Amino acid sequence: QSALTQPRSVSGSPGQSVTISCTGSSSDVGAYKYVSWYQHLPGKAPKLKIYDVTKRPSGVPDRFSGSKSGNTASLTISGLQAEDEADYFCCSFAGSYTWVFGGGTKVTVL
Amino acid sequence: QEQLVESGGGVVQPGRSLRLSCAASGFTLDSYNMNWVRQAPGKGLEWVALISYDGRNKHYGDSVKGRFTISRDVSKNTLYLQMNSLRTDDTAVYYCARIFGGYTIDSWGQGTLVTVSS
Repeated sequence: QSALTQPRSVSGSPGQSVTISCTGSSSDVGAYKYVSWYQHLPGKAPKLKIYDVTKRPSGVPDRFSGSKSGNTASLTISGLQAEDEADYFCCSFAGSYTWVFGGGTKVTVL
Repeated sequence: QEQLVESGGGVVQPGRSLRLSCAASGFTLDSYNMNWVRQAPGKGLEWVALISYDGRNKHYGDSVKGRFTISRDVSKNTLYLQMNSLRTDDTAVYYCARIFGGYTIDSWGQGTLVTVSS
């Protein structure tokens, strides 16, 4: 099992919003502001969507947003589009040059 | 645009060795800390190893410590992972990844599959 817990799947219709949770511990998600989210398509390189809990890299639409409360971080995709269908995983810095990851969540656009 | 391309994966018997490579372009390895991360079949991602931008500091996950060695060749702008004493539970897709700002993995390769099997 993964260090960070994510739901296996979420789904929504085009235009709706979906939220993916990422639950860790007081040693990782709860301890640092360095939570990031990635979109991963099979056989492709993961793409950074959110970093430092809430920040978006250049080129990532503002439909993607992140938040954190305690040991749980969340990624929200608003105005869901067909192109958003993919696997998404979270990552947290865990101190001492280590990182931990979630198991991934499959987002399905109905 | 930065790019990372892994190579060197394949099928190897338990106890044998394998070296993975990660060719970087669009940036230089001596400016960034770099990671290796792996994903076993049906499992989540696992951080494997880190090398600092100056090559002086190396850190390893507990499951590979003493068996794997991370290194780089700045002249070739290539990152390596030497894997010795391979075990069946080392079977995974191995990704190289760039670290931004010290704490965020901002760029990944597409991965290379290592299968350890007799």
